[in-house]
Amino acid sequence: TQLLEQSPQFLSIQEGENLTVYCNSSSVFSSLQWYRQEPGEGPVLLVTVVTGGEVKKLKRLTFQFGDARKDSSLHITAAQPGDTGLYLCAGARNTDKLIFGTGTRLQVFP
Amino acid sequence: GAGVSQTPSNKVTEKGKYVELRCDPISGHTALYWYRQSLGQGPEFLIYFQGTGAADDSGLPNDRFFAVRPEGSVSTLKIQRTERGDSAVYLCASSLAAGRTYEQYFGPGTRLTVT
Repeated sequence: TQLLEQSPQFLSIQEGENLTVYCNSSSVFSSLQWYRQEPGEGPVLLVTVVTGGEVKKLKRLTFQFGDARKDSSLHITAAQPGDTGLYLCAGARNTDKLIFGTGTRLQVFP
Repeated sequence: GAGVSQTPSNKVTEKGKYVELRCDPISGHTALYWYRQSLGQGPEFLIYFQGTGAADDSGLPNDRFFAVRPEGSVSTLKIQRTERGDSAVYLCASSLAAGRTYEQYFGPGTRLTVT
């Protein structure tokens, strides 16, 4: 059972376009993280959100945690080829283990 | 400084064989996690250690899987009687301590292929 569903599963866009990736669950999480993973490497943490409604910005990336702490979104403005990769959301509940989402594979063409 | 390292980077084995996967965490990190990532999926939690003890092994799929961390540093994931369904990338991560506020740093993974 996958607790965190991400959409879209795949996304191919041109450089300069904007995009949004969604991470949805029916369960409440105490915190949610977003990672980016490149081929042959482990995931690298981008951001952690802990408060319902929280918005965090990291350069061209904007992360939002839903008010009910069940969902999150990642918005990229003016995507660049260097943004290409697998984006993963991961939630923590009452334990220390992370529950990862299904992943969104992004390809940005120059 | 050195990050999390995993060996081997690739392992091909025959169905029914025994394999060991090794993880060297970042020096000083007390928490160590193992995940399994199938093709096109997100990582799936297997087990985590706080020091030498397994704090949560609820993700181990069955009793063919076992992990140890005898000295609180290096960890070994052991898989007995491998099956084709065990083929995946096995990721290791470490953090300063267990807890949601501590960032997990991931290694590059070991790609296991069972033929």
